[in-house]
Amino acid sequence: GNSVTQMEGPVTLSEEAFLTINCTYTATGYPSLFWYVQYPGEGLQLLLKATKADDKGSNKGFEATYRKETTSFHLEKGSVQVSDSAVYFCALRNSGGYNKLIFGAGTRLAVHP
Amino acid sequence: GAVVSQHPSRVICKSGTSVKIECRSLDFQATTMFWYRQFPKQSLMLMATSNEGSKATYEQGVEKDKFLINHASLTLSTLTVTSAHPEDSSFYICSAKGPFDSNQPQHFGDGTRLSIL
Repeated sequence: GNSVTQMEGPVTLSEEAFLTINCTYTATGYPSLFWYVQYPGEGLQLLLKATKADDKGSNKGFEATYRKETTSFHLEKGSVQVSDSAVYFCALRNSGGYNKLIFGAGTRLAVHP
Repeated sequence: GAVVSQHPSRVICKSGTSVKIECRSLDFQATTMFWYRQFPKQSLMLMATSNEGSKATYEQGVEKDKFLINHASLTLSTLTVTSAHPEDSSFYICSAKGPFDSNQPQHFGDGTRLSIL
């Protein structure tokens, strides 16, 4: 079946450090891949997405490249800020049906000044 | 961008009470809405998928008589937690998508924190 595996958190970084959150997936067909961010007490916000192999999604300094050969979609940011502290969810969506999203377990990021 | 409004944001009520949560799409027609449950420090668990005008499709292990879903219009879906008990306390999140955007992501509400005393 389809699944998403994320690195366990929490990830604790100092401001301006480089961030990588690993995400790998298992899916049939050609899924679309997403990163969502959840700030405390809030719902999810789409951070970025990629719909086919080798696509790079980017937003607010975050990037992730859809790697079919390694079934990965790692999230990166060159210089994190305190305001980036949140929980990050990797997700996939297969085509067909109701386009259900399948989420990873989430990775909590804490950035300190 | 697309906006989904969820109401209320927080509910505290006594055991045995039924609680209704609303999910509205404010600027698009949501032909499909999804309801998720999130336990503390855990991921989102899909509870059910609802299409406007038809019965919801529940995920395995989710009690349909416990979690009643109504999607009577293209802008509103409701989740009713019937005879709620403390174990139903959780963060409930809805999301919605429109009819022609199969390649577009779901749009999420801000969630409802339900606390049953």
